[in-house]
Amino acid sequence: QKEVEQDPGPLSVPEGAIVSLNCTYSNSAFQYFMWYRQYSRKGPELLMYTYSSGNKEDGRFTAQVDKSSKYISLFIRDSQPSDSATYLCAMTAGGTSYGKLTFGQGTILTVHP
Amino acid sequence: EAGVTQSPTHLIKTRGQQATLRCSPISGHTSVYWYQQALGLGLQFLLWYDEGEERNRGNFPPRFSGRQFPNYSSELNVNALELEDSALYLCASSLGMMNTEAFFGQGTRLTVV
Repeated sequence: QKEVEQDPGPLSVPEGAIVSLNCTYSNSAFQYFMWYRQYSRKGPELLMYTYSSGNKEDGRFTAQVDKSSKYISLFIRDSQPSDSATYLCAMTAGGTSYGKLTFGQGTILTVHP
Repeated sequence: EAGVTQSPTHLIKTRGQQATLRCSPISGHTSVYWYQQALGLGLQFLLWYDEGEERNRGNFPPRFSGRQFPNYSSELNVNALELEDSALYLCASSLGMMNTEAFFGQGTRLTVV
């Protein structure tokens, strides 16, 4: 079993839709949770990071962490064609895993005009 | 301000050869991370350097090695190349050891033939 599971999609939505992207994880040592966006032939771009359970909002993006269920989500409101990309969740723990980010497989999102 | 820069953009090598990939972090960042993004495998943690020292390494054989120079730039060396080493190699940097805000470069596409 992978430490981080992410539905690869692909996910296709119309412009203006609310998008929900999710990851589950098995390692309870993970403390910080990140979402990256990766456009084709580009490096990943950090969107948001959160620590501990709860919600964090940044513009059209909301990150949600539920540590008790080992489940994280990213919501995109009023989705735009420019949001079409691969979305990667990432997590990190301290101790011997310090410095290491563990990534999900990525979800491919397409937003149609 | 310049982001993380990687060179070369593309690299084609023959099986058994050595490859050297280079990374310049964002100015002021002291930590450099290397990841491998192979098709179907997602991003896998390779190495972490901070202040010139290797701090952590992922589950890769010793033929993957690297170093960090006094100016914090870094080099990844892959010896005895195998076909399955073909992947996008991504470098990221962060301010100190806070890998929760790691910024990625565009990557080096290594093809082993």
